[in-house]
Amino acid sequence: DSGVTQTPKHLITATGQRVTLRCSPRSGDLSVYWYQQSLDQGLQFLIQYYNGEERAKGNILERFSAQQFPDLHSELNLSSLELGDSALYFCASSVGGGGIPGLAGVRASYNEQFFGPGTRLTVL
Amino acid sequence: AQKVTQAQTEISVVEKEDVTLDCVYETRDTTYYLFWYKQPPSGELVFLIRRNSFDEQNEISGRYSWNFQKSTSSFNFTITASQVVDSAVYFCALSVYFYGQNFVFGPGTRLSVLP
Repeated sequence: DSGVTQTPKHLITATGQRVTLRCSPRSGDLSVYWYQQSLDQGLQFLIQYYNGEERAKGNILERFSAQQFPDLHSELNLSSLELGDSALYFCASSVGGGGIPGLAGVRASYNEQFFGPGTRLTVL
Repeated sequence: AQKVTQAQTEISVVEKEDVTLDCVYETRDTTYYLFWYKQPPSGELVFLIRRNSFDEQNEISGRYSWNFQKSTSSFNFTITASQVVDSAVYFCALSVYFYGQNFVFGPGTRLSVLP
């Protein structure tokens, strides 16, 4: 058990709908990352939040959005769903992952991520 | 831009054989981290190792060992005396740091260890 929780485990919905995936990071972790894993695209980094602030963006569609709340949990919102959005969505957390490059201790922010069990989204 | 290549899509070995999983990365950054993750059939992603770009020492942890060579931009992973429980998809990942932490994962190598 990594300590990262994700809900729900499974989600089945129809095209055009909107869903919200939730993630609670490990205790003490400030960064939350979202990934999409599909058979044809592999593991794709979507977005990172650090202490409530967006810090890195990957291949996230405009139909998708995320936020991190003051209690550090995060939600990934997927709207206008398409068949191709069916995938396993992982959340990960790490202790660091934010800061200002060049400052002392920045290397300490290169932290390994601990992954949640994932949410399997099926769009019909 | 960063890129991670894992040329081996699938590997099958018989139990107790040694197996090496290849990882080649591309980045223009001089400071970066490399990772290996394991995804067993149950689906969760398990962290195995982290290595920074300034440390080229090889590392051994039980039956696992990692060979990091900056000259060839490779970070290969060897399992010695493989076991059936090693069957999984293994991902190599690269992280560079700017204001956040961006991870790029390779496509993964599916390892099947047969009894």
